[in-house]
Amino acid sequence: DVKVTQSSRYLVKRTGEKVFLECVQDMDHENMFWYRQDPGLGLRLIYFSYDVKMKEKGDIPEGYSVSREKKERFSLILESASTNQTSMYLCASSSYTRGATVEQYFGPGTRLTVT
Amino acid sequence: EDQVTQSPEALRLQEGESSSLNCSYTVSGLRGLFWYRQDPGKGPEFLFTLYSAGEEKEKERLKATLTKKESFLHITAPKPEDSATYLCAVQANSNYQLIWGAGTKLIIKP
Repeated sequence: DVKVTQSSRYLVKRTGEKVFLECVQDMDHENMFWYRQDPGLGLRLIYFSYDVKMKEKGDIPEGYSVSREKKERFSLILESASTNQTSMYLCASSSYTRGATVEQYFGPGTRLTVT
Repeated sequence: EDQVTQSPEALRLQEGESSSLNCSYTVSGLRGLFWYRQDPGKGPEFLFTLYSAGEEKEKERLKATLTKKESFLHITAPKPEDSATYLCAVQANSNYQLIWGAGTKLIIKP
């Protein structure tokens, strides 16, 4: 079974703090993704990575950065947390097959509250 | 603009009452359509991938179908444990990012 783990289930941070969210997958997947999920808006892609040290912006990258130093690990960084970044953060991974469609597998999520 | 719309937003059924959830999409070429189940406070769990119109897939009480404009998730004789939010996502030919619908919250009453 694919397993995607996230470093925290719940996190409370203060405005202006630097926040690190970590994600680890154990299936040797090439692709990794960070989403945020807010009620009524569906999942929105923040960043994704298709290889070590490679990253691409998603739909809402502002205020976030990412790091992928090892294939199994993908970190999301909130440089200076703000209250509008309060959300559920979901990490996902998928294998790469050129030209094919493959499903993404998700971690349990991190509920981040910024006060 | 590529778009995915799910309806209804919420659906309440009695145990054993069959129904369908809808996912309509407009994309520039469909590469694949995904259905996921999400329980409260958890990450989405993959259910099905559909690739072309006419395709159907089944898993226990769930059956997913696909046309050129929409997909249906049919639930037959549901049980309370089927209560969850069901998410639909589409991959367009133009790239490999997924476009997500907002989900349908399904509640099955015993």
